[in-house]
Amino acid sequence: KAGVTQTPRYLIKTRGQQVTLSCSPISGHRSVSWYQQTPGQGLQFLFEYFSETQRNKGNFPGRFSGRQFSNSRSEMNVSTLELGDSALYLCASSLDQPGRNEQYFGPGTRLTVT
Amino acid sequence: AQSVTQLDSQVPVFEEAPVELRCNYSSSVSVYLFWYVQYPNQGLQLLLKYLSGSTLVKGINGFEAEFNKSQTSFHLRKPSVHISDTAEYFCAVSDRSGGSNYKLTFGKGTLLTVNP
Repeated sequence: KAGVTQTPRYLIKTRGQQVTLSCSPISGHRSVSWYQQTPGQGLQFLFEYFSETQRNKGNFPGRFSGRQFSNSRSEMNVSTLELGDSALYLCASSLDQPGRNEQYFGPGTRLTVT
Repeated sequence: AQSVTQLDSQVPVFEEAPVELRCNYSSSVSVYLFWYVQYPNQGLQLLLKYLSGSTLVKGINGFEAEFNKSQTSFHLRKPSVHISDTAEYFCAVSDRSGGSNYKLTFGKGTLLTVNP
């Protein structure tokens, strides 16, 4: 079974621009979560989607948004990019069954804001 | 609110030596516990998880961890490490309650360096 895929893998944007990152979960997984990883703050939870609805949200400003499609694929968008948004953005999917809530991560999208 | 403390930011060891990576957590509710590994320029790979049952959990690549509820710890161990175990290791927790199962709180990570 194919793992979680994320596109693009690398991205360079300019301050003030917006960006959209894509995530395809493992087949059959309906929960998709997003995390930001930076050297200073470590791994931080952004949000989680299930059945096209945001179910959990972390402490990030409204510039960070996401959505999930009916095939469970997810996108996250960051508007008005700031230098501090440079990070590795990780997507994870989960089966969402009792006793099977572990998350499987994709390789990430490395975003550089200049 | 939950928090995870990984007590060592870096752990250097020699090949074939045993290793223990320490993790303590704080939470007002019951939690699930996980260890993930991250190799350079890659995502996170699940090593093992504690959901319920036996407090000694075995994972992939010869790793195991023991859940200690009284000490709120979940230390990761391997009896004999290999050069290929060099990576960053993350301990994580999530709330057991239904809607918050998928919000992982991570520690800052421990960089394990295995030297020949």
